[in-house]
Amino acid sequence: SSELTQDPAVSVALGQTVRITCQGDSLRSYYASWYQQKPGQAPVLVIYGKNNRPSGIPDRFSGSSSGNTASLTITGAQAEDEADYYCNSRDSSGNHLYVFGTGTKVTVL
Amino acid sequence: EVQLVESGGGLVQPGRSLRLSCAASGFTFDDYAMHWVRQAPGKGLEWVSGISWNSGSIGYADSVKGRFTISRDNAKNSLYLQMNSLRAEDTALYYCAKDSNDYGDYGEAFDIWGQGTMVTVSS
Repeated sequence: SSELTQDPAVSVALGQTVRITCQGDSLRSYYASWYQQKPGQAPVLVIYGKNNRPSGIPDRFSGSSSGNTASLTITGAQAEDEADYYCNSRDSSGNHLYVFGTGTKVTVL
Repeated sequence: EVQLVESGGGLVQPGRSLRLSCAASGFTFDDYAMHWVRQAPGKGLEWVSGISWNSGSIGYADSVKGRFTISRDNAKNSLYLQMNSLRAEDTALYYCAKDSNDYGDYGEAFDIWGQGTMVTVSS
């Protein structure tokens, strides 16, 4: 099956910009979606498709993609953005329908 | 309000079975594919299984293929996961998630999640 690789952890100063990346072969064929998960809570969809935000998600969250890499950017990070972030996409290998990334812990300093 | 509520989790011995349920409300259930996603304690998310709106297309992760069966009852707005031959590595919080595609087939994202039901496999 395909794999999606993320950096385990990143940190960002309050109000600054952070980019989280997700790499995998399936991203050459499919867009990534991104999920925010805070401790003890269910994941929340923050970005999907080319660069779409569900209702209620702040516009400081944005997505982009190039080749086998998808990125989630938080512009002007807030304290409440501290969370785990997971990418996800359809699986181009055909074995599975979907695959999740390994997850990135974002710390806001 | 769009809502997904999972139930059926618990403590079960290795090799035994368990059936999870997910009750959906606040949207037209049979317009959407549905999924199960799990998260082992302290670990990341793992897609487990998905089912299209009419059960015509079903998929499983390799880790559960042949042991788990996903199903749905559109008349009851409910999603199910029958888990057989459970192993210690199946211990996880199991989430029910709604697909974002309103054509009924698989889409780009999971836009609504339940709060999960915990499954612990231990003797």
